[in-house]
Amino acid sequence: DAKTTQPNSMESNEEEPVHLPCNHSTISGTDYIHWYRQLPSQGPEYVIHGLTSNVNNRMASLAIAEDRKSSTLILHRATLRDAAVYYCILRDWDKAAGNKLTFGGGTRVLVKP
Amino acid sequence: SAVISQKPSRDICQRGTSLTIQCQVDSQVTMMFWYRQQPGQSLTLIATANQGSEATYESGFVIDKFPISRPNLTFSTLTVSNMSPEDSSIYLCSAGRQGGNEKLFFGSGTQLSVL
Repeated sequence: DAKTTQPNSMESNEEEPVHLPCNHSTISGTDYIHWYRQLPSQGPEYVIHGLTSNVNNRMASLAIAEDRKSSTLILHRATLRDAAVYYCILRDWDKAAGNKLTFGGGTRVLVKP
Repeated sequence: SAVISQKPSRDICQRGTSLTIQCQVDSQVTMMFWYRQQPGQSLTLIATANQGSEATYESGFVIDKFPISRPNLTFSTLTVSNMSPEDSSIYLCSAGRQGGNEKLFFGSGTQLSVL
């Protein structure tokens, strides 16, 4: 399984942007880059995913490097409810690879009021 | 989207007993997975639940300890057998459609404490 590397933790002030980096230098051409977050005492929830191009949705933006070896999740205006552990995960589109999500350590985001 | 219901949400069990956790999805899904999350840790994949056939286990997990059933496209069970205090964890069910371009959905987990 391709691995991802994320900082253990990051702090942000409320209503400021948060940029969460992820390195995935061994990414294969069939890997999608997924981001999930886990709020306290809850199961993980989907945030965003992409393959090559940058992606935007109501929750966040995903910026993918041209060589795909790294990506950045951007929370445009952090709120206290965004305090969570954010996981960057690679998911292979190839059926034979099992399609599973293998979680790394994630980044714990602390949002200060 | 899919809504995943897990039962029980929490349980306290005695050493040597077994507990079966149920996972119900509100729509037909291709893939179902079981994860374990030990206190303060990330999620570890236990196995992929395959409909109508034996589950596919990850390294370090065996069928005798974690038997899994998946009789149809919307339901799966995970049994934690012959429990010890080291099995105290949160167990999470995940489901979704096959494909790297598909998102997965997670249940809220089962908090298991073994005395």
